[in-house]
Amino acid sequence: DTGVSQNPRHKITKRGQNVTFRCDPISEHNRLYWYRQTLGQGPEFLTYFQNEAQLEKSRLLSDRFSAERPKGSFSTLEIQRTEQGDSAMYLCASSFFVSGNTIYFGEGSWLTVV
Amino acid sequence: EDKVVQSPLSLVVHEGDTVTLNCSYEVTNFRSLLWYKQEKKAPTFLFMLTSSGIEKKSGRLSSILDKKELFSILNITATQTGDSAIYLCAVEGQTGANNLFFGTGTRLTVIP
Repeated sequence: DTGVSQNPRHKITKRGQNVTFRCDPISEHNRLYWYRQTLGQGPEFLTYFQNEAQLEKSRLLSDRFSAERPKGSFSTLEIQRTEQGDSAMYLCASSFFVSGNTIYFGEGSWLTVV
Repeated sequence: EDKVVQSPLSLVVHEGDTVTLNCSYEVTNFRSLLWYKQEKKAPTFLFMLTSSGIEKKSGRLSSILDKKELFSILNITATQTGDSAIYLCAVEGQTGANNLFFGTGTRLTVIP
């Protein structure tokens, strides 16, 4: 296991199209997070799962965004009816939360909406 | 509102210099502070700090936390060009999410 894996790494889509990103966390990590990062900014929290349960969603996550982690392993993040403002890097991260919570990030998925 | 402020926003130094990066925070129910290094891809973990006054060290990098004054510093000694990156500070609050609040980062450029 080499870490958090994300795909696709890059996606260019036309405005109005739907896109889906996949994240495979580090094995046995029970928490999975989605962040969004735009140029010049730090990552912004979108949502997180503990096992298969989605426990919190940021107000940044509009109703066009949906995330799932059906079996408590991999996760998908879907953006419907994309807008140019959705262009960003979408980062997935995972952790094994016990008493501490070191979060490890994937390589990210770059989205460009044209 | 929870926030993390990093300074300076950018820094240019010559190889061999020592740099100090700052991170101040305000967060509800502080749990931990983490430093990450981000080059052209995803952030890579450097340190997690939970207790005041205990220095964490890894090679030429070290970090310390002051929970009374609500800040942390990251020191890099004998800088190398490979240290050029954005250094992100993140704070974990003990909310239901236990997620990380990130600062905007300090962009470090090391010139040969």
